[in-house]
Amino acid sequence: GNSVTQMEGPVTLSEEAFLTINCTYTATGYPSLFWYVQYPGEGLQLLLKATKADDKGSNKGFEATYRKETTSFHLEKGSVQVSDSAVYFCALDGNNRLAFGKGNQVVVIP
Amino acid sequence: DTGVSQDPRHKITKRGQNVTFRCDPISEHNRLYWYRQTLGQGPEFLTYFQNEAQLEKSRLLSDRFSAERPKGSFSTLEIQRTEQGDSAMYLCASSTITTGFFTYEQYFGPGTRLTVT
Repeated sequence: GNSVTQMEGPVTLSEEAFLTINCTYTATGYPSLFWYVQYPGEGLQLLLKATKADDKGSNKGFEATYRKETTSFHLEKGSVQVSDSAVYFCALDGNNRLAFGKGNQVVVIP
Repeated sequence: DTGVSQDPRHKITKRGQNVTFRCDPISEHNRLYWYRQTLGQGPEFLTYFQNEAQLEKSRLLSDRFSAERPKGSFSTLEIQRTEQGDSAMYLCASSTITTGFFTYEQYFGPGTRLTVT
């Protein structure tokens, strides 16, 4: 079945540092891929998406490229801010539902 | 605000009681989804509706769980005879169906946090 794997553990980094969160997937067919973000006390928000191989999704300085050959969709941001502190979830759509990874807590220290 | 809303935001109940949660989707969205999220995990799909038709319910966790969307607008999720293991965040999402590439975005509500004591 469809599944998403995110790197283990929280991510703690200093303001203006480079952020990478790894995401790999297993799926039949060619799913669309998403990154959702959950800020403290708030619901899940769509951060970015990519619908086919080699597409790059981008939003608020975050980027992720759909890599079919490595079945990956890693999230990156060149210079994080304290306001980026949140939990980030990678997800894919398949069979009319989203399959999510476990999420990564990102803590940005001033 | 015209986003997805859920009610209540928090529910504390005793084991064995029944609970019902409500979700109001974005008004023009014809699809509605329910997910469950436990601590430290990503959301887990439960069921979804297209208009009033429940098109997938095999992932509901047991026969104690049921969902309805009687008029194709709001939806309810009921858990009968609650157990401590039902404690979780229950999320609702809605989307529309796009033509062509069949790509859609799901918009999530704030969730209902259930605590079973």
